[in-house]
Amino acid sequence: DVKVTQSSRYLVKRTGEKVFLECVQDMDHENMFWYRQDPGLGLRLIYFSYDVKMKEKGDIPEGYSVSREKKERFSLILESASTNQTSMYLCASSLIGAQGNEQYFGPGTRLTVT
Amino acid sequence: AQKVTQAQTEISVVEKEDVTLDCVYETRDTTYYLFWYKQPPSGELVFLIRRNSFDEQNEISGRYSWNFQKSTSSFNFTITASQVVDSAVYFCALSEYNNNDMRFGAGTRLTVKP
Repeated sequence: DVKVTQSSRYLVKRTGEKVFLECVQDMDHENMFWYRQDPGLGLRLIYFSYDVKMKEKGDIPEGYSVSREKKERFSLILESASTNQTSMYLCASSLIGAQGNEQYFGPGTRLTVT
Repeated sequence: AQKVTQAQTEISVVEKEDVTLDCVYETRDTTYYLFWYKQPPSGELVFLIRRNSFDEQNEISGRYSWNFQKSTSSFNFTITASQVVDSAVYFCALSEYNNNDMRFGAGTRLTVKP
């Protein structure tokens, strides 16, 4: 059974803190993605990675960075958390290629920045 | 640029009613893929279906059916005889050929009342 796991379901951090969100997949997928989900806005892509140490900016990368040192793990980093980064963060993975492969999602991390 | 519009923010129906969720997309590519995902209250997005742009056949899977019409750039989703367990947020998404990323609509929240 395919599995994408995220390190925390709920997280509360203070403004200015450095925040790490971890995502691990066990499907040997090349692609990994980080989205944030906000009411009325759907899912917006922050960053994605198509290989180890490779990354591409999505639509809203400002205030975020990512790290992919191993194929199965993709981390999202908030360098200095701000209240407008309070959101649901979703990680996903997929096979690489041009076949329109579906993405598999983790359960999400609901981050609150106070 | 690719774009997905789900104009219905929220829909509420009574159990056993049929309900259609609308999805309209924009793309310049001739080869692309359309998806529907379900997000139940637990939060994890569940893949429902993928269609490619060359296959306009409608699809039926149990109580679910999908109507893909390139002429109107629409990929609508119908649930027949809705059940309370169908209550969720439903997302339509688009992926273009040779793109590893996916664009999501804002989502439609479906509530099925007993």
